[in-house]
Formats: sequence, structure tokens, C-alpha cells
Amino acid sequence: GESVGLHLPTLSVQEGDNSIINCAYSNSASDYFIWYKQESGKGPQFIIDIRSNMDKRQGQRVTVLLNKTVKHLSLQIAATQPGDSAVYFCAENTSGGYQKVTFGTGTKLQVIP
Amino acid sequence: DSGVTQTPKHLITATGQRVTLRCSPRSGDLSVYWYQQSLDQGLQFLIQYYNGEERAKGNILERFSAQQFPDLHSELNLSSLELGDSALYFCASSRTSGSQNEQFFGPGTRLTVL
Repeated sequence: GESVGLHLPTLSVQEGDNSIINCAYSNSASDYFIWYKQESGKGPQFIIDIRSNMDKRQGQRVTVLLNKTVKHLSLQIAATQPGDSAVYFCAENTSGGYQKVTFGTGTKLQVIP
Repeated sequence: DSGVTQTPKHLITATGQRVTLRCSPRSGDLSVYWYQQSLDQGLQFLIQYYNGEERAKGNILERFSAQQFPDLHSELNLSSLELGDSALYFCASSRTSGSQNEQFFGPGTRLTVL
């Protein structure tokens, strides 16, 4: 497969454990945040989103936490599975009507069977 | 399968050349976005079109241009190619142009400039 980034931070997690991937964003005007998953050789895939008027949102096995005070976003994956192995990107949208997305550099999640 | 298609999947060309990448959005999506993903820069937003008109511009070089046609497909034109333009180019689409819309990404075009 293709690697995404030579110097990506890597998180190694045992299958079945919970994973926490962190992201710091820079623009205090950002009002919408998204987590994407990118598997080797594929395009990014939407996982979960959160608006700035929320601090927590839950999906299926995933939870996103938003701390606007310190401009920090995290993605929690419960009971991590081998299929979760991928690069995870957070993205921030600036407000103003047009979607101008800024992606973070990504974190590589490796699930150990 | 996101429903977004991109062609070609791979493209190898020489410095100084010009190439055109093509994207067909999901059925019903009016917005198209172009991104560049290189090893040292991560995913970089290039440009967005909505219903044929340019809506937002990111880190797009002057050597690059894009357009969206009446049938909503989009093309990204890269000219005077340099070695540093080698990257994965992704297209994404969304239903509208608003700031809180899920984007669906295509499989990408891998461009190699020799």
C-alpha cells in the first residue's frame, strides 16, 4: 500500500483495547470539525463530525471530544479492531458559508492482533 | 465506494508537461473539492467549485487551474509540471457548498513527475 507521510505519529494498540487519537487545531474561528480515516491506497473516509456548540458526540464505537478552550480534538475508538488500522485525520472548517477544510497531518493507527 | 470517481488512477509524465485530472461527483452533489496529498505536506485543500462556479481557494499554485462543467464533473489542470508536483490528487464532493457538509472522497489520482 501507499504510505501517507514519512513522519506520521504512530499509535500502536492491542486488538480489543480502546484507542485515543489526538489533534490540535489552530483557528479559533473554526466551527465544524471532522475526523477522517484513510486506509492504504484509498481516499479519506468520513467517520464522525462535531459542531463547535458541542463538546462530545458519539457514533458507533467512536466518540469525538472537543475542547475549544485549548483547541483540542480527540477521537476515541472503542474495542479497536484490525480493520481500524489506517491513518486518521482531523479537519477543521472555517466559518463563513464556504467549506474551506484544513486537515491535520494525521496519525497512523496500528492494531496489533 | 464513495460514489466519487476519478480518472486516471495513475499518471506518469515529465517535467514541463501539462496534465488534466478528471472527477465525477456523487449523484446529486453540487460541490466539488480538489486536494493534494504529498508525503511531506499531508492533505492540502486546493480549490472548491459549486454548481459551476469557484467558491473557495486554498493553496493552489498559479500553474494549476480547475473548472466544473454543466454536468458537474470537474477537471484539474496542472501545467509546467515540476518534480515537486508528484502527489496524490483527491477530489471530493458534497451536497451543497455550506461549511458543515460531509465530503465524500474519490480514490485519487497518483501523479508522478519524472
